[in-house]
Amino acid sequence: QQQVKQSPQSLIVQKGGISIINCAYENTAFDYFPWYQQFPGKGPALLIAIRPDVSEKKEGRFTISFNKSAKQFSLHIMDSQPGDSATYFCAARRGGADGLTFGKGTHLIIQP
Amino acid sequence: DSGVTQTPKHLITATGQRVTLRCSPRSGDLSVYWYQQSLDQGLQFLIQYYNGEERAKGNILERFSAQQFPDLHSELNLSSLELGDSALYFCASGSSGSYNEQFFGPGTRLTVL
Repeated sequence: QQQVKQSPQSLIVQKGGISIINCAYENTAFDYFPWYQQFPGKGPALLIAIRPDVSEKKEGRFTISFNKSAKQFSLHIMDSQPGDSATYFCAARRGGADGLTFGKGTHLIIQP
Repeated sequence: DSGVTQTPKHLITATGQRVTLRCSPRSGDLSVYWYQQSLDQGLQFLIQYYNGEERAKGNILERFSAQQFPDLHSELNLSSLELGDSALYFCASGSSGSYNEQFFGPGTRLTVL
């Protein structure tokens, strides 16, 4: 049973455009939702995270939108740049310090 | 650089063998998490240690075990290795901040031949 479903699997966006990646979760006990960026041969790097008590969080060009009733959250990358080309993972966690449950990842390509 | 160190970077071994992967968390962090990344299973949580004690268990096989030492470094032991154990193994350091963020190391690539 996949507890966090991520889409799309791959995404191509033109430079300067908005990249949008979506995730849906099933377990209502999840209370922390981070996004990670991973480049080939590297470990996942924490980008931005949100708790369910807010509907949106913005850090630079990255924004998380969170819809608690729909059990969905999404990552928006504004003014996408070729350096943003990477694999992005959404995740969810239950409790203060449990392990993360990851989505399957989205391979993002920003075309110059 | 996340501040998390993992050794070795690469490991090639044969089926049936036993290997040990090592991780040192960020300075000040007491938690260590182990994850496995493979093409078919994606990123999966294996086990968590906090200040030397096992705190949470995920999809960890009985052939795998881990421990955290008094200096807070952790080791993941994989035994009776099978071809399907070939994967990237990541360690993450858990912060004690308000979000309890997890910061991943560079990983160990294990190849079982």
